[in-house]
Amino acid sequence: TQLLEQSPQFLSIQEGENLTVYCNSSSVFSSLQWYRQEPGEGPVLLVTVVTGGEVKKLKRLTFQFGDARKDSSLHITAAQPGDTGLYLCAGDGQNFVFGPGTRLSVLP
Amino acid sequence: DTAVSQTPKYLVTQMGNDKSIKCEQNLGHDTMYWYKQDSKKFLKIMFSYNNKELIINETVPNRFSPKSPDKAHLNLHINSLELGDSAVYFCASSPYMYSYNEQFFGPGTRLTVL
Repeated sequence: TQLLEQSPQFLSIQEGENLTVYCNSSSVFSSLQWYRQEPGEGPVLLVTVVTGGEVKKLKRLTFQFGDARKDSSLHITAAQPGDTGLYLCAGDGQNFVFGPGTRLSVLP
Repeated sequence: DTAVSQTPKYLVTQMGNDKSIKCEQNLGHDTMYWYKQDSKKFLKIMFSYNNKELIINETVPNRFSPKSPDKAHLNLHINSLELGDSAVYFCASSPYMYSYNEQFFGPGTRLTVL
């Protein structure tokens, strides 16, 4: 079974700071997705990366897929309280798996 | 309009009971899924249906039985509920089988077994 790890598990920062969260595996994925989940709601898809080395930007969020398609990172510039939530990565490989998530808290 | 809806939102029941959760999507998608999110927020796929046909059945106790009356609906029936079944159950849909990158999730059903 393919597994995804995410780090850090928890992150608490001040508004305006930059941050990076990571999603890692020893397995290769054909694609990788990032989701954000808020309390009491289902995950919402942010982006899908498909090509090794691919970089995608979504406003202040930058997503990168590792060259070997085994890992990914999410960088947030000038974080805002509205970015608070659980960030999940999910990989499409031999099966479809989610990582355990990074819980981000952005304090005003 | 809600794209993927689930009922009920909350479900509290006694151990040993049988309960059902309903899911409906109005996106015209062919594929629907059930996921379980445990207390540590680990989200794991349970079942996948494509056009009313079971495609994926992960290692799930046979007390869980999904039913798809049509491609817009996927219900989950759970027999003889156990304490370990307490979790949030999410329904999701995607246009085609394995089109995970176009998945929409419902709001979840929080099941508490006492």
